[in-house]
Amino acid sequence: KAGVTQTPRYLIKTRGQQVTLSCSPISGHRSVSWYQQTPGQGLQFLFEYFSETQRNKGNFPGRFSGRQFSNSRSEMNVSTLELGDSALYLCASSQSPGTVGNTIYFGEGSWLTVV
Amino acid sequence: EDQVTQSPEALRLQEGESSSLNCSYTVSGLRGLFWYRQDPGKGPEFLFTLYSAGEEKEKERLKATLTKKESFLHITAPKPEDSATYLCAVPNYGGATNKLIFGTGTLLAVQP
Repeated sequence: KAGVTQTPRYLIKTRGQQVTLSCSPISGHRSVSWYQQTPGQGLQFLFEYFSETQRNKGNFPGRFSGRQFSNSRSEMNVSTLELGDSALYLCASSQSPGTVGNTIYFGEGSWLTVV
Repeated sequence: EDQVTQSPEALRLQEGESSSLNCSYTVSGLRGLFWYRQDPGKGPEFLFTLYSAGEEKEKERLKATLTKKESFLHITAPKPEDSATYLCAVPNYGGATNKLIFGTGTLLAVQP
């Protein structure tokens, strides 16, 4: 059974550019969430999607956006990149948020460097 | 405000030297506590979920326990391959969500 797949794994962008990251959840999982991980702030929640609807959003500026497709795959976009956006972006998937036994699995992440 | 605090920030052990990592939490209605292991440059790897005080789960050299205010990750006779950052997290907003509040992690180094 394939795990959570994130692409690309590594990318370098210039300030002011935009970037799109992709996430394919585990087969059968309808919930996808995104996190940003930096050495200073740790893991911070970005947003969560379930059945193509955004259910939660973290405290990030509007430059950060996302969406989920009918096949549960998700993308996140960061526009007008800033140096501080350099981070590991992690995608997580699960079957049924909030239910007992629900496990949240993470992908390997996308390393974004903004120069 | 929901909060998760892990201690110590870093821990260095000799191979075979058992110890425990702590995760204390403040949440309004716990709906589970997650433990993850993260290796450098990789995503968090799921270890355990605990749901109620008194619950214990084991996996190889690791055992996680839960009380009403904290969780412990006990590492028995660790090996160098157990070196990693160990993260704990709790769901936010009552648990019907994948929004996890993470602690800052404990960086474990096991020396041969």
